[in-house]
This record gives sequence, C-alpha cells and structure tokens, in this order.
Amino acid sequence: DVVLTQSPATLSVTPGERISLSCRASESVDTYLHWYQQKPNESPRLLIKYASQSISGIPSRFSGSGSGTDFTLSINGVELEDLSIYYCQQGNSLPTFGSGTKLEIK
Amino acid sequence: QIQLVQSGPELKKPGESVKISCKASGYTFTNYGMYWVKQAPGQGLQYMGWINTETGKPTYADDFKGRFVFFLETSASTAYLQINNLKNEDMATYFCARRVYYGLFRDWGQGVMVTVSS
Repeated sequence: DVVLTQSPATLSVTPGERISLSCRASESVDTYLHWYQQKPNESPRLLIKYASQSISGIPSRFSGSGSGTDFTLSINGVELEDLSIYYCQQGNSLPTFGSGTKLEIK
Repeated sequence: QIQLVQSGPELKKPGESVKISCKASGYTFTNYGMYWVKQAPGQGLQYMGWINTETGKPTYADDFKGRFVFFLETSASTAYLQINNLKNEDMATYFCARRVYYGLFRDWGQGVMVTVSS
C-alpha cells in the first residue's frame, strides 16, 4: 500500500498567516492526491481534488499543488474557522490516507 | 442537494452484530458507488472498501474481510454496513462516502459511533 506522510503533525498558526502543509507519498501517485478537512466532531469534507483542482463551495484561500510524491496544501490567510485536521488521500491505487496535520491557534 | 444521512449511535457487547445505514438523497443512487471508512477514537481515517450500487458487488480492504458486510436496499437508496462478532477494536466512528470516481470520496455521511463494551 502507498504510505502518505504528512508534516508537520501539528501546526500552530496566527489568523491571517499563509501556511503550507506537506504530504509525501512512498511512491508516485501522479496527481491522484486529494485533501480533506475534518473539524472536531464532524465528518471530513473534500477541499482539493487531483492535487490542485478546486471544489465548488470551498473558499479560494485553499489551494493545492504537487505531483508524483510531493504535495502541498496552502491556506492563504488562515481564519479561525480553519482550525481542523487536514488529511491527504491518494487514489492512484488502493485508497490510503495520511495521518493528518492538526491546525491550532498559536 | 446531495445528502448522506446515517443511522444513530450504537452500543453493543463483544460478540454481537451491528447494522449501520447510509441513506442517500439528491442524486441517482445507482450512478455512484459507496465507500466505507473507519475512524477509531482520536485516530485517522481508514479505508474499508466500497460497494457497487449498480451491481451490489462489495469489495473489501484486507483488514475488513470476514466479519464486515456491505449490502444495499436499492429501492430505498440506502447502503448498509454490518459488523458481525464485534470486538473491542471495532469501536470507532464509521462513515459512508459517495464514490464519484475511483479513489475520490466526494460527499460524506455524518458518521455513526459504535461503542463496544461488556
């Protein structure tokens, strides 16, 4: 199975910051890499599909980049409502999820 | 709008069975498969498998072969997950998610928390 390694595990942020979250795959997944946001006690929500494609209804401050094994989720101007756990997931082979990056307030 | 509404929380004893439902609305049920995902307390997301809603054929990830069963009630646009012979390690929240394309979990149910305790 493809292993996805997310870093950092926890990120302390100040509202308004631009931040980047990393996801590294153990083998190439092309651009079959998706990002999800999970707020406390809620179900995950799809943020970005196929590494960089936007999703209807998701704020434009969220963007994704990368291909192959290295991917980045960026948030341009973090807001308080963005405090969540962010998961990457690959769909190039049997689906697997990363262990998540938790965003918290500094 | 597309909705996946799951059944309520369950409290079961080890060895018992549990059946979780996922009712879809807002789209043609048989046009998209249904994924199942496990999230143990404080842990990440684990892919369990999916069911083809057109044919009823289930596909299970290796960790979920044997005691886990996916099935449908197509007339009610509902997918089910049944877990037999419950074990402590089955205690988790179980999500259904709409499969738009292979490997893409497009829309999610609200999750069902299953507690296993003697």
